[in-house]
Amino acid sequence: QKEVEQDPGPLSVPEGAIVSLNCTYSNSAFQYFMWYRQYSRKGPELLMYTYSSGNKEDGRFTAQVDKSSKYISLFIRDSQPSDSATYLCAMSDTGGFKTIFGAGTRLFVKA
Amino acid sequence: AAGVIQSPRHLIKEKRETATLKCYPIPRHDTVYWYQQGPGQDPQFLISFYEKMQSDKGSIPDRFSAQQFSDYHSELNMSSLELGDSALYFCASSGKGRTGRDTEAFFGQGTRLTVV
Repeated sequence: QKEVEQDPGPLSVPEGAIVSLNCTYSNSAFQYFMWYRQYSRKGPELLMYTYSSGNKEDGRFTAQVDKSSKYISLFIRDSQPSDSATYLCAMSDTGGFKTIFGAGTRLFVKA
Repeated sequence: AAGVIQSPRHLIKEKRETATLKCYPIPRHDTVYWYQQGPGQDPQFLISFYEKMQSDKGSIPDRFSAQQFSDYHSELNMSSLELGDSALYFCASSGKGRTGRDTEAFFGQGTRLTVV
C-alpha cells in the first residue's frame, strides 16, 4: 500500500463548478501538507501549504486537513479552463527532508 | 522572483553513457531535493541534501550519485544509463522560515532526459 493515495481521475467539470480533490494517507507522522499544480511538461507549482490540521483559503482555493481521518482536500471554486492541470497532493513528516507525493489527479475544466 | 534553475532543459544520451544534471536552488534555500518523474507517473523521490550533507535517500539507483556544493547548487550524476532512465528529473529547494524549517518545496522546470 502506498503511503499516499490519490485518485488519478481524469475529472471533467464545466466552467464555474466547484472542484473537490482528495488524498488519503497512512503515515500519522505527516505534519506538512501541500498541493501542487502541474501543467503538461512543466514542474509542479506549489499552490497551498498547510501545517497540521485545519483549513486554509487563498483566493478560489481552499485546503482542508483532517488528521484524525488522515484525509486532505483541495477545493477550487468558480473553476476556470485555465485550472485544467494535474493536481498533486504531497506531505512530509516533521523532519521535512522528504516529501511523498500522491499520483496526481488530472482535472479538465470545460468552457 | 528568482526560481529554481535546472540545466540542461533537455538531454539526449545513449545507453551506457553518463549524464550530469545541475540544480541551482532559490537564493538562501539550504535544502535540495531530486525527483524522477516517468511518463504519466507521480514524482518519485530520489535524494535530498541539507547544508551540503545528504539528508535522506529514496529510490535512487546505485548508478546515480549526487552532491550539494558550497554554493548550495546540486548535481545529479547518472552513469551506465539505461532506456528506463528516460524521464523528467525535477529539482526542488526549500529554506528556513522565521519559526524554523519551512518544508514546502519549490520546483524547477525539470530536465528531460531521453536515453536512446
